[in-house]
Amino acid sequence: DQQVKQNSPSLSVQEGRISILNCDYTNSMFDYFLWYKKYPAEGPTFLISISSIKDKNEDGRFTVFLNKSAKHLSLHIVPSQPGDSAVYFCAASPYNTDKLIFGTGTRLQVFP
Amino acid sequence: DTEVTQTPKHLVMGMTNKKSLKCEQHMGHRAMYWYKQKAKKPPELMFVYSYEKLSINESVPSRFSPECPNSSLLNLHLHALQPEDSALYLCASSQEEKRTGGSQPQHFGDGTRLSIL
Repeated sequence: DQQVKQNSPSLSVQEGRISILNCDYTNSMFDYFLWYKKYPAEGPTFLISISSIKDKNEDGRFTVFLNKSAKHLSLHIVPSQPGDSAVYFCAASPYNTDKLIFGTGTRLQVFP
Repeated sequence: DTEVTQTPKHLVMGMTNKKSLKCEQHMGHRAMYWYKQKAKKPPELMFVYSYEKLSINESVPSRFSPECPNSSLLNLHLHALQPEDSALYLCASSQEEKRTGGSQPQHFGDGTRLSIL
């Protein structure tokens, strides 16, 4: 049972445009959500997170939106750059545990 | 640059061998984690240590034995592994356990790619 789902395995965006990566979850006990970026042969790099008490968090070019009623999370990257090309994982943590449950990832390609 | 260092980067071992994976962080984090990632799959949690004590074991087989000798170091001892244990093993750390410190991100090392012959 996949509790965290990223339904788009890949996304291709032109440089300078907005990239929108989506994530859906099923467990209403999740209270903390994160996005990680992963390059080949490297570990996941933390990008941005959001607590369930908020609906938006922004850090530079990265904004995460949380819609609790829809159990939906999205990451916006504006403007997209070629260096953003990587696999993006969303992850969620249940209330009062340190466990992270990852989605299956979305491969983002930013082309010139 | 990752602040969580894992060694070795690659490891090939036979099913009767005993080996250890090592993870080190010097960020003063008090929670450390082991994850296993199979090809084209997301990372899956194996163990959580908080203040050098094991707090979560996700029903991992006993052929994997974690150890936290001090707050900066986390080991994973391997013995009698099976071919299906071949995977990328990731270590992570965070400032504190969520229960005591609130929600904080986990920071990952680059992993050890393990192959069992």
